[in-house]
Amino acid sequence: GQQVMQIPQYQHVQEGEDFTTYCNSSTTLSNIQWYKQRPGGHPVFLIQLVKSGEVKKQKRLTFQFGEAKKNSSLHITATQTTDVGTYFCAGDPRNYGQNFVFGPGTRLSVLP
Amino acid sequence: NAGVTQTPKFQVLKTGQSMTLQCAQDMNHEYMSWYRQDPGMGLRLIHYSVGAGITDQGEVPNGYNVSRSTTEDFPLRLLSAAPSQTSVYFCASSYTLPDRGYGYTFGSGTRLTVV
Repeated sequence: GQQVMQIPQYQHVQEGEDFTTYCNSSTTLSNIQWYKQRPGGHPVFLIQLVKSGEVKKQKRLTFQFGEAKKNSSLHITATQTTDVGTYFCAGDPRNYGQNFVFGPGTRLSVLP
Repeated sequence: NAGVTQTPKFQVLKTGQSMTLQCAQDMNHEYMSWYRQDPGMGLRLIHYSVGAGITDQGEVPNGYNVSRSTTEDFPLRLLSAAPSQTSVYFCASSYTLPDRGYGYTFGSGTRLTVV
């Protein structure tokens, strides 16, 4: 079945350091979404990528969709304590539009 | 605008008991889904609905039933609770097809423990 993997599982950084999480799919994705979940909270939609090679930025966050549309990355520049949480990617392998497969997430800790 | 409201927030069940997790949204969203979240496994789709009167199974539907009699409500029923159903359950909705760039709006979750 469809597999969406993320690495690393955990990442501890010092405040001000950069952070990157990688998302890999076993099949080609029609699009990919990223969500953030704060500890004890619920996932919050961040962004969607659709085009091969697409790069989008939100302030200190940079999202990238691979050329083959099988991988994606989220890069945070100069992390802050407010970045703490788990980052999930979610892929739509069948282009149905509503059945997204979520990766296991990367938990980010930021030490002040 | 309350968004997606889930009740209860916490629940403890005994094995074999049944219960209904409630989900309601006031955003007139067509698409609604139920996910369960287990440590290290991300969110797994249980059931989903593309509109009132239409439901379908997701990745892990066994042991759960859903119905969608109105646009606003999408309850999840546990038929006979088992310890393997101990999890955090999230209801999510989307204005249109979630791949149109809006993503899902999630409720605050129900933490269920089955003993």
